[in-house]
Amino acid sequence: DIVMTQTPLSSPVTLGQPASISCRSSQSLVHSDGNTYLSWLHQRPGQPPRLLIYMISNRFSGVPDRFSGSGAGTDFTLKISRVEAEDVGVYYCMQATHFPQMYSFGQGTKLEIK
Amino acid sequence: EVQLVESGGGLIQSGGSLRLSCEASGFTVSTHYMSWVRQAPGKGLEWVSVIYTDGSTYFADSVKGRFTISRDNSKNTVYLQMNSLRAEDTAVYFCAREGSGTFFTWGQGTLVTVSS
Repeated sequence: DIVMTQTPLSSPVTLGQPASISCRSSQSLVHSDGNTYLSWLHQRPGQPPRLLIYMISNRFSGVPDRFSGSGAGTDFTLKISRVEAEDVGVYYCMQATHFPQMYSFGQGTKLEIK
Repeated sequence: EVQLVESGGGLIQSGGSLRLSCEASGFTVSTHYMSWVRQAPGKGLEWVSVIYTDGSTYFADSVKGRFTISRDNSKNTVYLQMNSLRAEDTAVYFCAREGSGTFFTWGQGTLVTVSS
């Protein structure tokens, strides 16, 4: 099974400052079709998750450009250039390269304002 | 507007069965991969099951043999039949539409509570 490990698990950030979350997979996420199916989701308390980034670095429709994704192979990063109050919540990385046996998520990183 | 609405959750005794529904609007479920993802109270996300456009189905090991997934194209609805429920199945169950290897659209979720 693919294990997705996020660091840190908790991230207190000052408004207006940058934030970064790392996600590491136990196996390469490069699919046989050449794509890498690593995405990032954001979940606010009491809400369903919403998609931020897909295929490493593609921002979903309506996602502010302060969010960016990068990485390759087994190591990936989500960056927020300037944290805003609405960014609080839990961030998850997710892989779908090794489907259909399993889609897997990281444990989640809680972003909170200092 | 693309939307997913789950229903069917509730309180059920251990060993019981429940069927969840996910009604889609704004798109056709038969032309997309559709998954169920669950979240236990205070925990992270866990993928449960997927139904592909060709009708093939897959399950997480934790529910294999107990859960089935299906769809009714005439109702544009996806179902999750859950049998032999256990306390550890207690969670909010989300329906999600997949594209490009991720979940673009999520429903609001429906809570399943299994009492022992």
